[in-house]
Amino acid sequence: EPEVTQTPSHQVTQMGQEVILRCVPISNHLYFYWYRQILGQKVEFLVSFYNNEISEKSEIFDDQFSVERPDGSNFTLKIRSTKLEDSAMYFCASSTGTGVQPQHFGDGTRLSIL
Amino acid sequence: QKEVEQNSGPLSVPEGAIASLNCTYSDRGSQSFFWYRQYSGKSPELIMFIYSNGDKEDGRFTAQLNKASQYVSLLIRDSQPSDSATYLCAVFIGNSGYALNFGKGTSLLVTP
Repeated sequence: EPEVTQTPSHQVTQMGQEVILRCVPISNHLYFYWYRQILGQKVEFLVSFYNNEISEKSEIFDDQFSVERPDGSNFTLKIRSTKLEDSAMYFCASSTGTGVQPQHFGDGTRLSIL
Repeated sequence: QKEVEQNSGPLSVPEGAIASLNCTYSDRGSQSFFWYRQYSGKSPELIMFIYSNGDKEDGRFTAQLNKASQYVSLLIRDSQPSDSATYLCAVFIGNSGYALNFGKGTSLLVTP
């Protein structure tokens, strides 16, 4: 069964450094998402991406965050200057297209900011 | 603020019993509802979704939606120890980006 794949599985970064989280969505999917989950808290929406542009973003997704689809397969989340509170699990998800379609999640990247 | 509320649990049921998980939501305009299962340290795994009032069955799982009362539930029949996990209710907010608004989840423990 097709999967969303994320790399790395664990990223440790010094506060203030830039970090890029990578995702390969399911190949025929058109909508891509990033969510995060701080330890012990709920899954929170960050951003959705369709047709090479941001469709929607939450209040969390401020100027420190950016997303990019650099080629036909990868989807990346960049955090420019990491803060301690950015420590969380970051999940990439994808869905087939317009309309309400189920979102399938990758295994996540655990981001630890020191 | 659009809220999705779930009882955090833990909900403990014996093996073979029916587990009933409930979720309420505040936005009457919410359109579609998803149930995900999340094992500790793992990612959310889609179980099923529902967008019409009534029941929807898939194997041992039944989702129930009542838009008038603004609740959605998940029934798990013949519960197994492997069903022990946190169950997340997610609501499609209705914006163009198809963002999901998640509840905090209900922890389910199925005891042998």
